[in-house]
Amino acid sequence: DGGITQSPKYLFRKEGQNVTLSCEQNLNHDAMYWYRQDPGQGLRLIYYSQIVNDFQKGDIAEGYSVSREKKESFPLTVTSAQKNPTAFYLCASSRRQGIQETQYFGPGTRLLVL
Amino acid sequence: KQEVTQIPAALSVPEGENLVLNCSFTDSAIYNLQWFRQDPGKGLTSLLLIQSSQREQTSGRLNASLDKSSGRSTLYIAASQPGDSATYLCAVRLGNAGNMLTFGGGTRLMVKP
Repeated sequence: DGGITQSPKYLFRKEGQNVTLSCEQNLNHDAMYWYRQDPGQGLRLIYYSQIVNDFQKGDIAEGYSVSREKKESFPLTVTSAQKNPTAFYLCASSRRQGIQETQYFGPGTRLLVL
Repeated sequence: KQEVTQIPAALSVPEGENLVLNCSFTDSAIYNLQWFRQDPGKGLTSLLLIQSSQREQTSGRLNASLDKSSGRSTLYIAASQPGDSATYLCAVRLGNAGNMLTFGGGTRLMVKP
């Protein structure tokens, strides 16, 4: 079964703690993306990666970090510098940048602050 | 900066009704526009993608139109069903922004049996 998986489904963060959200895809896609969705709002781009070992900041990168050591994986770390991390986080992938390619989305991770 | 707006934010209709969801964008230099469906607590599923050179796309009971010059798109749902209940998001891709999408806030649709 090809697709994008995100884990965990729910994640709780304590004050001052860094947490990492997992995103894995077996679609052989080059590009991967992280979005944040707040209640009743659209998605905002946090980071994206066009190829392994390369990534770029999106519109709201502050307080987040990513890595892209493998084509299949694009983990997102929510650092303690992110003061309002409670949101629904969505990972997506697509075959290539700059081409008419649909982005495929994972099921999301809901992050809550304790 | 591109801004995408969707009106209404929420809509409730009886089953069987035809309905129209609206999406507007401020920068007409788009590469394409896409409509997505999102079920509660889930990821997004692509419904229709319209290239900037196209006027409309159809898939089953769904029809999406694009008027680039006026910065508008509509998603028409014919003979609505309770299973259509979800949030519908539109997203635009600027011509010079690679594969980056700018999303609207979504329209939350409820179809009552």
